[in-house]
Amino acid sequence: KNEVEQSPQNLTAQEGEFITINCSYSVGISALHWLQQHPGGGIVSLFMLSSGKKKHGRLIATINIQEKHSSLHITASHPRDSAVYICAVRSSTGRRALTFGSGTRLQVQP
Amino acid sequence: GAGVSQTPSNKVTEKGKYVELRCDPISGHTALYWYRQSLGQGPEFLIYFQGTGAADDSGLPNDRFFAVRPEGSVSTLKIQRTERGDSAVYLCASSLTEREQFFGPGTRLTVL
Repeated sequence: KNEVEQSPQNLTAQEGEFITINCSYSVGISALHWLQQHPGGGIVSLFMLSSGKKKHGRLIATINIQEKHSSLHITASHPRDSAVYICAVRSSTGRRALTFGSGTRLQVQP
Repeated sequence: GAGVSQTPSNKVTEKGKYVELRCDPISGHTALYWYRQSLGQGPEFLIYFQGTGAADDSGLPNDRFFAVRPEGSVSTLKIQRTERGDSAVYLCASSLTEREQFFGPGTRLTVL
């Protein structure tokens, strides 16, 4: 079992829909990251969370430390949101490297 | 300001050849990370530098892989005797603190 699991693997939505991507992890963490990767490989950091909830524009990220679960929500989705969304965690052991989920491929259709 | 840059953007090589991949981190960032991303997967950790030294190289898959960062800035990932299974996108990231990591565009390596 991977340390970081994401669901769904693939998601197709219609423009304007509310989208939720889930991330579960099995290790103790000091932080959880949500990243966006567009075709061509470039990765952009969206959020870093250690507790609670963060919002940026139409994106909302939440984390429940007790349940070892995080969600990324996109409100009023748009075709430009189409990308791969990756959850990554930094272990609470002090190790600096991130452990990544395998990503959720989102396609938003007009 | 300039972000993390990686060169080349694409590299095609033949099985058994030696390759070098370069990463230029954001100026002043002391931490530098190398990750490898196979098709359809999330990135996997290879090695992490703090300054000039490799603080954690536990992700290097075998002794064909080696990385250096001699002056604490630019880093080179070196792969000897390349194999077809080495084909992947090699990502570099840098950071100043333990918080956000800034990723480069990656180098797509194809071993024929």
